[in-house]
Amino acid sequence: EAQVTQNPRYLITVTGKKLTVTCSQNMNHEYMSWYRQDPGLGLRQIYYSMNVEVTDKGDVPEGYKVSRKEKRNFPLILESPSPNQTSLYFCASSQQGAPGGYTFGSGTRLTVV
Amino acid sequence: GDSVTQMEGPVTLSEEAFLTINCTYTATGYPSLFWYVQYPGEGLQLLLKATKADDKGSNKGFEATYRKETTSFHLEKGSVQVSDSAVYFCALSEAGTALIFGKGTTLSVSS
Repeated sequence: EAQVTQNPRYLITVTGKKLTVTCSQNMNHEYMSWYRQDPGLGLRQIYYSMNVEVTDKGDVPEGYKVSRKEKRNFPLILESPSPNQTSLYFCASSQQGAPGGYTFGSGTRLTVV
Repeated sequence: GDSVTQMEGPVTLSEEAFLTINCTYTATGYPSLFWYVQYPGEGLQLLLKATKADDKGSNKGFEATYRKETTSFHLEKGSVQVSDSAVYFCALSEAGTALIFGKGTTLSVSS
């Protein structure tokens, strides 16, 4: 089944403790992206990648890192999480970039205390 | 910059009612337009899309027409069902990678 898989689905952590949210897609898509969803703000792009070793900032990149060493994986790294990064995170992938429509993962609900 | 404005919810309807969720956009060029749906506890699913003016996207009884003259992409369905209860997001893409979303409209359908 074609899908984007994120892990974990739920995570509670403490301020400053480094964490990684994994994202993997099995569709051989070139484009991958991370979004965060917050009440009243909709979804905002954090980082995106057009291909292996090619990444760029989205609208809200502060406090996040990404890497794209393999085509299928696009992990999101929070080096020193803070409470304002408490959010619902989505990974997405697309073959044609956004004009083709993204396939989204099921989301990771992160709480930083 | 580019932006998307959706009508605020929640929208509450009875089963078989007609649905309209308004969406207008601001863009410098000629974006592709999308509607995504998010069911409770799930990720976003592409509902329909339109890539140029006057295109009509349709899926599962939902329709939206790309209106360049009014910069709109309103979502409609003739007869909603309880199973349509979800959050609906209008989105655009102009740069080829970034999807810009509206804030979402919650639809609640009761039987």
